Amino acid sequence: SYELTQPPSVSVSPGQTATITCSGDVLPKQYAHWYQQRPGQAPVLVIYKDTERPSGIPERFSGSSSGTTVTLTISGVQAEDEADYYCQSADSTSTYPYVFGTGTRVTVL
Amino acid sequence: QITLKESGPTLVKPTQTLTLTCTFSGFSLDTYGVGVAWIRQPPGKALEWLALIYGDGDKRYRPSLKNRLTITGDNSRNQVLLTMTNMDPVDTATYYCAHRNPDYYYGLGVWGHGTTVTVSS
Repeated sequence: SYELTQPPSVSVSPGQTATITCSGDVLPKQYAHWYQQRPGQAPVLVIYKDTERPSGIPERFSGSSSGTTVTLTISGVQAEDEADYYCQSADSTSTYPYVFGTGTRVTVL
Repeated sequence: QITLKESGPTLVKPTQTLTLTCTFSGFSLDTYGVGVAWIRQPPGKALEWLALIYGDGDKRYRPSLKNRLTITGDNSRNQVLLTMTNMDPVDTATYYCAHRNPDYYYGLGVWGHGTTVTVSS
């Protein structure tokens, strides 16, 4: 299928670890990327190719993959990490070169 | 430094055609693997990919909107245009263009700030 499913929300205290999952049938066959979208701003790529971090992205952001699920982990969460996070992949036939997840709102308590 | 900027009308009437322009700098659309994508986001909702133009001129469209969308590239002016016909209030959204980066395994490494389009009579 072309769907990527994420939990609607995750709440975390400052300094703790936030874990966001993304599930989809295409994920064993295609890499996933993660985007952060702060309120009123454009998305920013924070993880690409499941686990890689673009230059300028803090080390507290990391990614992993296992089967039909990819995970974004934010270690030592800071107030500035409060945002919506979207996973993104592609379907195996290239009909959908970009498929976005349903999005997860991370709230820093 | 790669930058992209969207421009176009902020208000369109139902049934009208929307034309958005993405003006970019810092890369060439002629480069192998590079592309420009259009994505939209209705108020309070998730991101939705619309269209993609590759560096070799190949194009892809969201299947459910394929009959309404046209994406074109103008390398001489460093612009990518998106037209969407028969606009409806449900098309009210912020529209983004973004750079498809082969160095990031085709992730969208740089986005424009977005342009908000309201469809209303």
